[in-house]
Amino acid sequence: DIQMTQSPSSLSASVGDRVTITCRASQSISNYLNWYQQKPGKAPKLLISAASSLQRGVPSRFSGGGSGTDFTLTISSLQPEDFATYHCQQSYSTGVTFGQGTKLEIK
Amino acid sequence: QVQLQESGPGLVKPSETLSLTCTVSGGSISGYYWSWIRQPPGKGLQWIAYIYYSGDTDYNPSLKSRVTLSVDSSKNQFSLNLSSVTAADTAVYYCARDSTAPGTSWDPTFHYWGQGILVTVSS
Repeated sequence: DIQMTQSPSSLSASVGDRVTITCRASQSISNYLNWYQQKPGKAPKLLISAASSLQRGVPSRFSGGGSGTDFTLTISSLQPEDFATYHCQQSYSTGVTFGQGTKLEIK
Repeated sequence: QVQLQESGPGLVKPSETLSLTCTVSGGSISGYYWSWIRQPPGKGLQWIAYIYYSGDTDYNPSLKSRVTLSVDSSKNQFSLNLSSVTAADTAVYYCARDSTAPGTSWDPTFHYWGQGILVTVSS
C-alpha cells in the first residue's frame, strides 16, 4: 500500500491567515492526489482533484500543488467556514489510501 | 443530483456480521463503481472496497477476508457485509461514488458521499 502522511496533524490559525498543509506519499503517485474538506458530523467534500484541479463551486482561495511524492493544499486567506479537517487521498493505485487528516482550528 | 443514503443497525455484537445498505437516488446505479469507506472515531478515512454495477469487486487487502459486497440494480442499492467484527470496526461508514466515466477504468476520486452511519461494535 502507498502510505500518505499529512503535516501538520493540527494547525491553529486566524481568519485572514494564509495556511499550507502538506501531504507526502511513500512512492511517486504522479498527480493522482485529491483533497477533501470535512466538517464535524458531515461527510467529506471533494475540494481538489488531480493535485491542482479545483472542483466547481470551491472558492478560489483554495489551491493545490505538487507532483510525485510531495503535495500542498493552500488556503490564501482563511475564512470562518474553512475551519475543518482536511484529508489527502491518493488515486494512483487501486489500494486507495488517505492521509490521517489535518485539523484546522481557530486561534 | 445523485444522493446516497446508508442504512442498517447502529449496534453490532462482537463476532457478528455488520450489514449495511446504500440506497442511490437521483441517478442510476448502472455504469458506475460504488465504494464503502469508513472512519473510526477521531481517526482518518479508510477505503474498504468497491463494487461495479456489474458485480465486479475490489477490496482493501487488510479487510478482504471479511468483506462481502452485493448490488441490487432493481432497487438501486448496494450492500456491505463485514464479518467477525470487533471493537476496532467501530466507525462511521460511508457509501460513496467516484468520478469514473462509464466504460472507463476506475478513477477513485469520490464526488458523492452518503451522510454516514455510525456503527458501534459492543456487547
